[in-house]
Amino acid sequence: SYELTQPPSVSVSPGQRARITCSGNALPNQYAYWYQQKPGQVPVLVIYKDNERPSGIPERFSGSSSGTTVTLTISGVQAEDEADYYCQSVDASGTYKVFGGGTRLTVL
Amino acid sequence: QVQLVESGGGVVQPGRSLRLSCAASGFTFGTHAIHWVRQAPGKGLEWVALISYDGRNNHYADSVKGRFTVSRDKSKNTLFLQMNSLRPEDTAVYYCAREVPVYGMDVWGQGTTVTVSS
Repeated sequence: SYELTQPPSVSVSPGQRARITCSGNALPNQYAYWYQQKPGQVPVLVIYKDNERPSGIPERFSGSSSGTTVTLTISGVQAEDEADYYCQSVDASGTYKVFGGGTRLTVL
Repeated sequence: QVQLVESGGGVVQPGRSLRLSCAASGFTFGTHAIHWVRQAPGKGLEWVALISYDGRNNHYADSVKGRFTVSRDKSKNTLFLQMNSLRPEDTAVYYCAREVPVYGMDVWGQGTTVTVSS
């Protein structure tokens, strides 16, 4: 079955830039999405279509894509950004959704 | 406002069945596909199933295929996840989430907890 691979954890200091990667063979041909989940809360969509930001999501959140890897970048990280981040896409057939294993962002 | 509310979770023995509901409000129910996504305790998100806007084109993760069935009742603006032959590894918080094509899963319910244990 199709898999998306994320690093388990990323740590940054406040004000620094955080980059979270997600790798998958079908990503060159399928959109990626990013969800933020804070402890005890419901996931929230922060990036769609690889690099689009939903209304209400701060401008410091951005997405990019290059080959089989997509990246979520948080510029000027704030303490409130500490959360688990999940990438999501579909397999090559476009049928089956899949989430990455998640990355815990720690703000030092 | 746009809202999804899950219900039906509980504690069930292995091999038994459970039906989860997802009540939708604040949007045109019959125009959106809905996903079921689960999260085992301390684990990540796992996509479980998709029910198409009309209920005719549904898909399931390999881990639940043949055991779980999705359906929708248009008259009640409600979706269902029928879970049969439950296993301990099905223990999780189950979320329903609305899909907007290309935009992603933009609205999530608060989740309902399923515990499979003897």
